[in-house]
Amino acid sequence: EDQVTQSPEALRLQEGESSSLNCSYTVSGLRGLFWYRQDPGKGPEFLFTLYSAGEEKEKERLKATLTKKESFLHITAPKPEDSATYLCAVRTGGTSYGKLTFGQGTILTVHP
Amino acid sequence: KAGVTQTPRYLIKTRGQQVTLSCSPISGHRSVSWYQQTPGQGLQFLFEYFSETQRNKGNFPGRFSGRQFSNSRSEMNVSTLELGDSALYLCASSHGTSLTDTQYFGPGTRLTVL
Repeated sequence: EDQVTQSPEALRLQEGESSSLNCSYTVSGLRGLFWYRQDPGKGPEFLFTLYSAGEEKEKERLKATLTKKESFLHITAPKPEDSATYLCAVRTGGTSYGKLTFGQGTILTVHP
Repeated sequence: KAGVTQTPRYLIKTRGQQVTLSCSPISGHRSVSWYQQTPGQGLQFLFEYFSETQRNKGNFPGRFSGRQFSNSRSEMNVSTLELGDSALYLCASSHGTSLTDTQYFGPGTRLTVL
C-alpha cells in the first residue's frame, strides 16, 4: 500500500527564517509527486509536480526537490502570507486513475 | 479560465438523511475525482469519473456514490448519513488522459451531520 509521511507536523518560523519541509514516500511505480498549499476553509492550491529523482522546480520563495525516497519543499526568506498547510501527494502506476495519496500535511506559521 | 466550482459550499444535515453534492470541472477537463478531508484522516480518495464512467474507487462504504454527466459535471451522493460523515468534501478536475495529469481542486463543500 502506498504511504506518504510528512514532517514536521507543524513548523513555526520567523519572517525571513528559511527552512525545509519533508515528504517521504513508499510507493510502487511513482508517476508523479505533487505539492499543494491549503489555506483554512479552502481547497488545495497546486504548487508543483515532480516526476523523477533529481528534478527541481522553483516558484517565488519555494523550491521543490525530489529523490528516490523523499521530496523537500524549501522555503527561502518566508513571509507571513506563506502561512498555510502544505500537502504532499503521490500518483502511482497501475489502476490509480484519478487517485492521489496524500500525506497529513505540514502546518506552517510564519510570524512577522 | 474559470476554476473548479462546488455547490453548495455548506450543508447541515441530520443522521439518516441523504445529501447530494455537485462539482463543475475546469472547461475541457474530463476527469473528476472526489476526496473526503477530515482532521483525523486527512485527504482520502473516494472515486474518480472520466467520460461518465467510474474508473477508480477508494475504500469507502457503498453509501457513498457518484455519477458524471456528459458535460463532465459530477455529483456525489451520501445516503443514510452518519455523524462520522461530517467533513470537507473536495472535488478535483484534470484532463484525465495521463497518470501524470495535475489535479486542480475546488473550494469544497463543508458537510455537518447532526
